[in-house]
Amino acid sequence: ETGVTQTPRHLVMGMTNKKSLKCEQHLGHNAMYWYKQSAKKPLELMFVYNFKEQTENNSVPSRFSPECPNSSHLFLHLHTLQPEDSALYLCASSQESGAEAFFGQGTRLTVV
Amino acid sequence: DQQVKQNSPSLSVQEGRISILNCDYTNSMFDYFLWYKKYPAEGPTFLISISSIKDKNEDGRFTVFLNKSAKHLSLHIVPSQPGDSAVYFCAARRQGAQKLVFGQGTRLTINP
Repeated sequence: ETGVTQTPRHLVMGMTNKKSLKCEQHLGHNAMYWYKQSAKKPLELMFVYNFKEQTENNSVPSRFSPECPNSSHLFLHLHTLQPEDSALYLCASSQESGAEAFFGQGTRLTVV
Repeated sequence: DQQVKQNSPSLSVQEGRISILNCDYTNSMFDYFLWYKKYPAEGPTFLISISSIKDKNEDGRFTVFLNKSAKHLSLHIVPSQPGDSAVYFCAARRQGAQKLVFGQGTRLTINP
């Protein structure tokens, strides 16, 4: 039990589908993040939320749409993705932005 | 431009011996460095960190060394155990920044 839970663990979707990834943290942290890990690449930060407010968007295409209804929950809404968007999507949280991040187990996304 | 680099994609070490994982960075504004460990099908787990005001931090079998002049840090694991087999990521943070910048990772294999 890592304290950060992501669902689903695996997702296969077509390019015309709409799906959402969910993340929940039980650690009382104030910052939440979405990261993308593609094969043989470093972890890439996508979005940062601090006290429910988006404070960083790392030039992510609009087909990825984050939502943070409260400090404990973070969503990533997916729409008209491309096959190259297939990757491991990791959610993380930290007490404050920039501090040690605790990661969820990730969602392995495959776009077909 | 990759600011945090782990030039060895893989490392194989005999059980009981020392494992040394290396990381180089280019941004002299980084002031905080972290190591994460990742098992397959799990998210990264925070391992150990070091502030730029120190040159060494030790936690049990794990020691991180920081050489600011060379912009280099290393993680020493001694003695290495089979359970240490994982992918290790180094990460860095610029003072006041909200995000961690990750290296590509090094896959460590401990042989019995």
